[in-house]
Amino acid sequence: TQLLEQSPQFLSIQEGENLTVYCNSSSVFSSLQWYRQEPGEGPVLLVTVVTGGEVKKLKRLTFQFGDARKDSSLHITAAQPGDTGLYLCAGGPGSNYKLTFGKGTLLTVNP
Amino acid sequence: GAGVSQSPSNKVTEKGKDVELRCDPISGHTALYWYRQSLGQGLEFLIYFQGNSAPDKSGLPSDRFSAERTGGSVSTLTIQRTQQEDSAVYLCASSLAASSETQYFGPGTRLLVL
Repeated sequence: TQLLEQSPQFLSIQEGENLTVYCNSSSVFSSLQWYRQEPGEGPVLLVTVVTGGEVKKLKRLTFQFGDARKDSSLHITAAQPGDTGLYLCAGGPGSNYKLTFGKGTLLTVNP
Repeated sequence: GAGVSQSPSNKVTEKGKDVELRCDPISGHTALYWYRQSLGQGLEFLIYFQGNSAPDKSGLPSDRFSAERTGGSVSTLTIQRTQQEDSAVYLCASSLAASSETQYFGPGTRLLVL
């Protein structure tokens, strides 16, 4: 069974601070996705990384896929209250069509 | 264009009753997925459809859970004889094909079993 561990589980910071959240596994994934989920909504895809060592930037968000394709990180620079939400990483689907989700990091950015 | 829609958005039911949850995928998406999100847990895969067929039902937690998809479009997830532990958010997603990396999620149905 493939498992994804996310850390930290909860993170509360002040506006303007930087933060990094982590997604780790003992399994290799064909791709790694990051989603953000707001209350009452479904997850929304932020990025997909597929190549070991890949780095993608989305405005103030930087995503990295580990060289061995087992882990990933999300770094947010100068966090804003609008970044508040549940950040989920998901591995796969590869040939088995399933996405394996971590439990998420609940981020609160206080003004 | 329209995204994935789900209905009802909220459902409160009594233990032992049956419930039906509906998912309308994005038009043209052949693959459809059901997930369950419990408090403090990640998304748990339940079932996936390619067209009208469900190649893998192993994620369904018990035989009280069933799902069907007709016309390659709308899907219904049915929970019979609901239990309190069934309380969760049930999310539906669709993608162009099963091999597609991107799944688009609906807003979910929040189920509360009293």
